Amino acid sequence: EAQVTQNPRYLITVTGKKLTVTCSQNMNHEYMSWYRQDPGLGLRQIYYSMNVEVTDKGDVPEGYKVSRKEKRNFPLILESPSPNQTSLYFCAGFLAGGYNEQFFGPGTRLTVL
Amino acid sequence: SQQGEEDPQALSIQEGENATMNCSYKTSINNLQWYRQNSGRGLVHLILIRSNEREKHSGRLRVTLDTSKKSSSLLITASRAADTASYFCATDARRTTDSWGKLQFGAGTQVVVTP
Repeated sequence: EAQVTQNPRYLITVTGKKLTVTCSQNMNHEYMSWYRQDPGLGLRQIYYSMNVEVTDKGDVPEGYKVSRKEKRNFPLILESPSPNQTSLYFCAGFLAGGYNEQFFGPGTRLTVL
Repeated sequence: SQQGEEDPQALSIQEGENATMNCSYKTSINNLQWYRQNSGRGLVHLILIRSNEREKHSGRLRVTLDTSKKSSSLLITASRAADTASYFCATDARRTTDSWGKLQFGAGTQVVVTP
């Protein structure tokens, strides 16, 4: 089954404790992207990747890192999480040369205390 | 900043009625897309309309695009309880196939369909 998976789905952590949210897709998508969703603000892009080893900042990259060492994986790293990073996070993938229709993962709800 | 702004923010209707929501945006676009999100879950792509198209249908969905007014509408006909969800418009301002198009999402319209 074609899908984008994220782990963990729920995470409660404390300020400053490094964490990684994994994202994996089995659809051979070149492009992958991370979003955060906050009430009243819709989805805002954090980082995106156009292919292996090619990443760039989105609209709200501060406090986040990403890597793309393999085509299927695109982890989101919070080196020192803060309470303002409490949010619902989504990973998405899509094909190059298409119309940018994105396939979303199920989401990771992160709470930073 | 948000490119798309949905209106209304919330909509409550009865089964069988039509639901209409609107999206306005600020800059020129390559295409506009609508997504659905069931509570707390991932977004699901519904329909895409290109900038040179004016209307598109998919099942019970009808999307219109007016580039002169920078607006789009999504109509769900004969709504069902299962249509209860949040609906988001997203704009792709990509200019060429070589440039990566960032999707800009609005804040969404929350639709509740009661039996």
